[in-house]
Amino acid sequence: SQTIHQWPATLVQPVGSPLSLECTVEGTSNPNLYWYRQAAGRGLQLLFYSVGIGQISSEVPQNLSASRPQDRQFILSSKKLLLSDSGFYLCAWRTGGETQYFGPGTRLLVL
Amino acid sequence: AQSVTQPDIHITVSEGASLELRCNYSYGATPYLFWYVQSPGQGLQLLLKYFSGDTLVQGIKGFEAEFKRSQSSFNLRKPSVHWSDAAEYFCAVGVNSGYSTLTFGKGTMLLVSP
Repeated sequence: SQTIHQWPATLVQPVGSPLSLECTVEGTSNPNLYWYRQAAGRGLQLLFYSVGIGQISSEVPQNLSASRPQDRQFILSSKKLLLSDSGFYLCAWRTGGETQYFGPGTRLLVL
Repeated sequence: AQSVTQPDIHITVSEGASLELRCNYSYGATPYLFWYVQSPGQGLQLLLKYFSGDTLVQGIKGFEAEFKRSQSSFNLRKPSVHWSDAAEYFCAVGVNSGYSTLTFGKGTMLLVSP
């Protein structure tokens, strides 16, 4: 069966520091991968999605970036964090059908 | 572009009572519709989905939802709520664009009183 992992689970970072969040999927090949951010009272906002290695589509212009160095690995990065980057970051995968399956999430607090 | 409205931010229901969470969507064609549930600090779990066919769909944990095209709605229901159902519920609409991005509502927080 397929599983999705995200780490770290929680992260506290100072403003201006770099960021790297990792998402990996097991048990499937060539998934579509997605990064969402969830801020309080604002639902889920799609940040990036990827249909293959090295292919990244950005939905929202901001100081975040994403990369997909391997088929089942999706990384969310920033060179300099802002206070507004705080939130709950969720990774999701999809193959074949229309359903997306979500990871456990990473809570990021920028101070 | 598609959109989803969940008009209730919070709902409180007594344990054992019935539940209905509202979801309205905006999209020009027949959408793919989903309900997810999120417990505090956790990821999202799929409850049920509608793609086509029977407009009443059954999901996990005793939940069901009905697609009503005329009302652009996909309301979630449960006949008897349990304390463990307390969580945040998200409705989402998907478009078969090849990338299958989802647009989510802002969520409804369900509180269950004893």
